[in-house]
Amino acid sequence: TQLLEQSPQFLSIQEGENLTVYCNSSSVFSSLQWYRQEPGEGPVLLVTVVTGGEVKKLKRLTFQFGDARKDSSLHITAAQPGDTGLYLCAGARGSARQLTFGSGTQLTVLP
Amino acid sequence: DTGVSQNPRHKITKRGQNVTFRCDPISEHNRLYWYRQTLGQGPEFLTYFQNEAQLEKSRLLSDRFSAERPKGSFSTLEIQRTEQGDSAMYLCASSAGERGRSTERHFGDGTRLSIL
Repeated sequence: TQLLEQSPQFLSIQEGENLTVYCNSSSVFSSLQWYRQEPGEGPVLLVTVVTGGEVKKLKRLTFQFGDARKDSSLHITAAQPGDTGLYLCAGARGSARQLTFGSGTQLTVLP
Repeated sequence: DTGVSQNPRHKITKRGQNVTFRCDPISEHNRLYWYRQTLGQGPEFLTYFQNEAQLEKSRLLSDRFSAERPKGSFSTLEIQRTEQGDSAMYLCASSAGERGRSTERHFGDGTRLSIL
């Protein structure tokens, strides 16, 4: 059983469209991170959220941590081909070294 | 570039052979992690070092797997008697590890292992 469920698993959209991907769990996390991974490379950290209800913005990306700290969403406005990649959420419970990854959302933005 | 470095980037070997991967973390980071990632999945935790001490191992890490970090700097991951199921991307990450704060992993680009 996957501790963190990400949806959708695959998403293909046209340049300029908006999209939201989700990360859900039945467990409470002390913090949650989002990473982006491109083929042949390691994941790169985008953001860390730690407070229930927290919203963070990174240019066209908006990250939200659920009030109960069990879920998170990533919204991308006016997607660009450079946004293409595997988006991974990762939750920390207890000790910060206990980081569990979801299975990811593979995003493709078509020009 | 002072990021996490992993070598080799690719390794192809026959089933039954032993392989060893190396990870050089960011120099000031005292925490080092190994993960395994298969196609279409997120990284799965294998093991964790704080300085030279191996403090945690996943149940995924069978007795064919061993990891070391002898001087608290670089780390090696060895797989003995490789099996086809070992084919995956092996990722190394490091972090600064400040008490009371969530630690942000900095990942290397991984070693892709293919077992023939």
